[in-house]
Amino acid sequence: AQTVTQSQPEMSVQEAETVTLSCTYDTSENNYYLFWYKQPPSRQMILVIRQEAYKQQNATENRFSVNFQKAAKSFSLKISDSQLGDTAMYFCAFMTYSGYALNFGKGTSLLVTP
Amino acid sequence: AAGVIQSPRHLIKEKRETATLKCYPIPRHDTVYWYQQGPGQDPQFLISFYEKMQSDKGSIPDRFSAQQFSDYHSELNMSSLELGDSALYFCASSPRTSGSWKTQYFGPGTRLLVL
Repeated sequence: AQTVTQSQPEMSVQEAETVTLSCTYDTSENNYYLFWYKQPPSRQMILVIRQEAYKQQNATENRFSVNFQKAAKSFSLKISDSQLGDTAMYFCAFMTYSGYALNFGKGTSLLVTP
Repeated sequence: AAGVIQSPRHLIKEKRETATLKCYPIPRHDTVYWYQQGPGQDPQFLISFYEKMQSDKGSIPDRFSAQQFSDYHSELNMSSLELGDSALYFCASSPRTSGSWKTQYFGPGTRLLVL
């Protein structure tokens, strides 16, 4: 079974600053997918960024980037130039290459302050 | 861009009643997934369908059943509702025939309250 751990239940960052959310996972699989989803107060689940394990290059989407360390089974999310609209719960998720289920971590609640 | 549509958005039921949740995937997406998110919890995978066949099954209670129809929409049927079934139910969809076929896009969810 795969487990996803987010060790920071809550974080706070000032507007325009940079923040990094951590995520580690445990798996015996070699090929898999990793995702970060954002859930604002509206509770909509919004895809932020994704990474395929066989790709060594870290994924980037505008202000969002990841640091994927396959050997360490680590998948952190960096948010640059934080904005008030980034305030949300952030979930790290894992999916095997052949599976369909997303396994989520417990989430990190991020508060962006003015 | 078109998104996943879920109906109803809110639903209130009594214990032991039944409920049906509907999901309309993004056009040209042929795989649908159902998740349950309790208060303060992370989403839990229930079940998925690809091309109208069940593709994976998670922690779905025996009281629940689901199917995918020929137009790719899906329905989650919940019977003998319990107080603990109160949750946010998400449907997600993904395209099978592209490089990003594993990426799941979520609908807005259906909030179910069982009294």
